[in-house]
Amino acid sequence: QQQVKQSPQSLIVQKGGIPIINCAYENTAFDYFPWYQQFPGKGPALLIAIRPDVSEKKEGRFTISFNKSAKQFSLHIMDSQPGDSATYFCAASGAETSGSRLTFGEGTQLTVNP
Amino acid sequence: NAGVTQTPKFQVLKTGQSMTLQCAQDMNHEYMSWYRQDPGMGLRLIHYSVGAGITDQGEVPNGYNVSRSTTEDFPLRLLSAAPSQTSVYFCASRRQTAYEQYFGPGTRLTVT
Repeated sequence: QQQVKQSPQSLIVQKGGIPIINCAYENTAFDYFPWYQQFPGKGPALLIAIRPDVSEKKEGRFTISFNKSAKQFSLHIMDSQPGDSATYFCAASGAETSGSRLTFGEGTQLTVNP
Repeated sequence: NAGVTQTPKFQVLKTGQSMTLQCAQDMNHEYMSWYRQDPGMGLRLIHYSVGAGITDQGEVPNGYNVSRSTTEDFPLRLLSAAPSQTSVYFCASRRQTAYEQYFGPGTRLTVT
């Protein structure tokens, strides 16, 4: 059972555009929601993360919006650049998910055209 | 710090062969885990360990074995490789008191 659903599967934007990637989760016990960025041939790297006690978090050009009642969260990339072209994964974890139990979404392949 | 290292980077196996994927971290992290990445399926947890001598199954453990004899190393063993195990494998680690995971560069495995 997929507990974190991510959309869209792929996304193409022009430089300067604002791509938005959405995720929905099912487990209300999740309390940590990270986004990972992965370049071809590399491992995923943590980009930004949010806890459910806030509705938004910004780090540079990257923003997470969080809607606890809807059980949804999204990643916005402001002023996107070709260097942002990568695969993005949302994930979720919680205190009851012991060990390294991050549950990942399916991934979104983002292409930013020059 | 080297972070999380994985070897080999690429591997081709024939069906039925066995092999061990190596993972090591130099950050003294208690938690280590193995994921597999397949197109359109994200990363799925295979096995994880909360410390030396302690391991547990993740979402897709069948066909894989692990052991954790030291804090630094967490090898993943394929006892009898199958084409369904063709994938990219990532090892990750984190501190016990943190959620942030650090991933290795991955091993691309092809089983023919």
